[in-house]
Amino acid sequence: GAGVSQSPSNKVTEKGKDVELRCDPISGHTALYWYRQSLGQGLEFLIYFQGNSAPDKSGLPSDRFSAERTGGSVSTLTIQRTQQEDSAVYLCASSGMNLGYGYTFGSGTRLTVV
Amino acid sequence: KQEVTQIPAALSVPEGENLVLNCSFTDSAIYNLQWFRQDPGKGLTSLLLIQSSQREQTSGRLNASLDKSSGRSTLYIAASQPGDSATYLCAASGNTGKLIFGQGTTLQVKP
Repeated sequence: GAGVSQSPSNKVTEKGKDVELRCDPISGHTALYWYRQSLGQGLEFLIYFQGNSAPDKSGLPSDRFSAERTGGSVSTLTIQRTQQEDSAVYLCASSGMNLGYGYTFGSGTRLTVV
Repeated sequence: KQEVTQIPAALSVPEGENLVLNCSFTDSAIYNLQWFRQDPGKGLTSLLLIQSSQREQTSGRLNASLDKSSGRSTLYIAASQPGDSATYLCAASGNTGKLIFGQGTTLQVKP
């Protein structure tokens, strides 16, 4: 596609439920990143994919968070047993093989845990 | 560990002024440095990317410079307009592409 697509754009869930967030990167972009932006906070790195493997998942806050990428394309970020502190905007970005291409961000998924 | 700092945190200027936003980073071994714009409730829009071997990049009224040795980058906005009002973020990248962001500068340009 022309840009990075994220779905859903908004998600309200009850505490304790599981949620899945989806990211469709730009076609051909091998690198994919997930970030989180909490209210009033900066952007926090979560995980990085190169192809289908995740060489850096150091930013995942707890074992309730996991992510996968299939076919070198779509990625899903799963949060199990959601907590109120998980409420944030989750942003996905992709980049071409040459990092000099820069990064293109999606519009994000706003997650609210009630 | 890379840390990125942006000064000032907020800036309010009258329309037409030229202005400079500052970004500093602690680890000079960066792969590139990127400036983004974020409008309220929206995602990030890439403005300028400077490779580690470059000194500056320009796009329209925007000019970004990079001084790796001093760990600094500046974003210069010429002839500011109310439509420039937004939060400006700088981010430093290592060789994996992982971005470390500053906290941003929120700019308000008054008509």
